[in-house]
Amino acid sequence: ETGVTQTPRHLVMGMTNKKSLKCEQHLGHNAMYWYKQSAKKPLELMFVYSLEERVENNSVPSRFSPECPNSSHLFLHLHTLQPEDSALYLCASSQDNGGPLGEQYFGPGTRLTVT
Amino acid sequence: AQSVTQPDIHITVSEGASLELRCNYSYGATPYLFWYVQSPGQGLQLLLKYFSGDTLVQGIKGFEAEFKRSQSSFNLRRPSVHWSDAAEYFCAVGAAGNTGGFKTIFGAGTRLFVKA
Repeated sequence: ETGVTQTPRHLVMGMTNKKSLKCEQHLGHNAMYWYKQSAKKPLELMFVYSLEERVENNSVPSRFSPECPNSSHLFLHLHTLQPEDSALYLCASSQDNGGPLGEQYFGPGTRLTVT
Repeated sequence: AQSVTQPDIHITVSEGASLELRCNYSYGATPYLFWYVQSPGQGLQLLLKYFSGDTLVQGIKGFEAEFKRSQSSFNLRRPSVHWSDAAEYFCAVGAAGNTGGFKTIFGAGTRLFVKA
């Protein structure tokens, strides 16, 4: 039990669909992250939220829209995706004390397939 | 620019043999270094971390890593590999982000195969 849950675990969607990924952390952390993990590529940081405020956005296409309503929940809203967006999307959380990041706790991921 | 290099895409080791996974980093300041492991279908789990102090750090599951500043390396070691160690291993460095905060940069990973 990692303390970070993600739903759904698997998602297949067409390019015209709209869907959302959900992440919840039960660790009392104040920072949450979305990563994209594609085959044979390094883990790509997409978004970082600290104290519910977006502090990092690594030039992610606008078809990915994050939402962090509180420190325990993080969403990734998806619309008009492309087949190359198929990947494992990982959520993580950590305690951000304003200095170098401590360890991150990861959820199991959502395996997304865009058809 | 900050970066992490894991030179080996995959490694095969016999059960009971020793293991060393290589990691080199590029970062101008004092690095904050991590090793994570990812089992199939799972998220990443922290094995160990180095922030300062003793350059040989112990982690969970019998893993250890040694920080060598002169070589910009942070190699992961395990004296005797078990079949359950088969997984993907990621080295990471904590670095300054674009907006003044910090972020973690991951290497591409090394997949470990264990043969009986």
